[in-house]
Amino acid sequence: EAGVTQFPSHSVIEKGQTVTLRCDPISGHDNLYWYRRVMGKEIKFLLHFVKESKQDESGMPNNRFLAERTGGTYSTLKVQPAELEDSGVYFCASSPLMASYYEQYFGPGTRLTVT
Amino acid sequence: KNEVEQSPQNLTAQEGEFITINCSYSVGISALHWLQQHPGGGIVSLFMLSSGKKKHGRLIATINIQEKHSSLHITASHPRDSAVYICAAPGETSGSRLTFGEGTQLTVNP
Repeated sequence: EAGVTQFPSHSVIEKGQTVTLRCDPISGHDNLYWYRRVMGKEIKFLLHFVKESKQDESGMPNNRFLAERTGGTYSTLKVQPAELEDSGVYFCASSPLMASYYEQYFGPGTRLTVT
Repeated sequence: KNEVEQSPQNLTAQEGEFITINCSYSVGISALHWLQQHPGGGIVSLFMLSSGKKKHGRLIATINIQEKHSSLHITASHPRDSAVYICAAPGETSGSRLTFGEGTQLTVNP
């Protein structure tokens, strides 16, 4: 069974540009989470989808970030326009809807560098 | 006070040494993730545990539910074990977000 995949693995963009990150969860996983780690800080929660619905988006830093999960399969996270402080590693994780409460399976992450 | 605290923040060891990284948490029900972040940024899930002990190769994770404390041990450490090790605690309900510790930077010298 394929794990959680993320694309691209690394993106370097200039301040003001737009970047879209993609996460493909494990097939059949209805829960999908986005997290990020910015330099020197702990990993922080961004948002949680259940199928195509946003269950919790309280961690989204501002309205330059837009997450979607059309059809309840893969998810995209768009940053527009990107700022220097958005640099970091963006992770997604997924779990089945009726998973044990602590189960989450992580993707390898996308390293975003904004110059 | 962070809800998930790790110690030490930095750890340098010589190849072959036994390594212990500790994690204490005050959030959620008793369960924990241990993750490994490589220098390139990629993350690997090492363990998800809610009781007792789990072992995978040279890695051992233990959890004490009453004390809300977990440890990650690495036996016969090797330079390739050099990475950031992160613990994360889930919330109290199914599907809850994880709360992460700040990570422990481990460097194993040959």
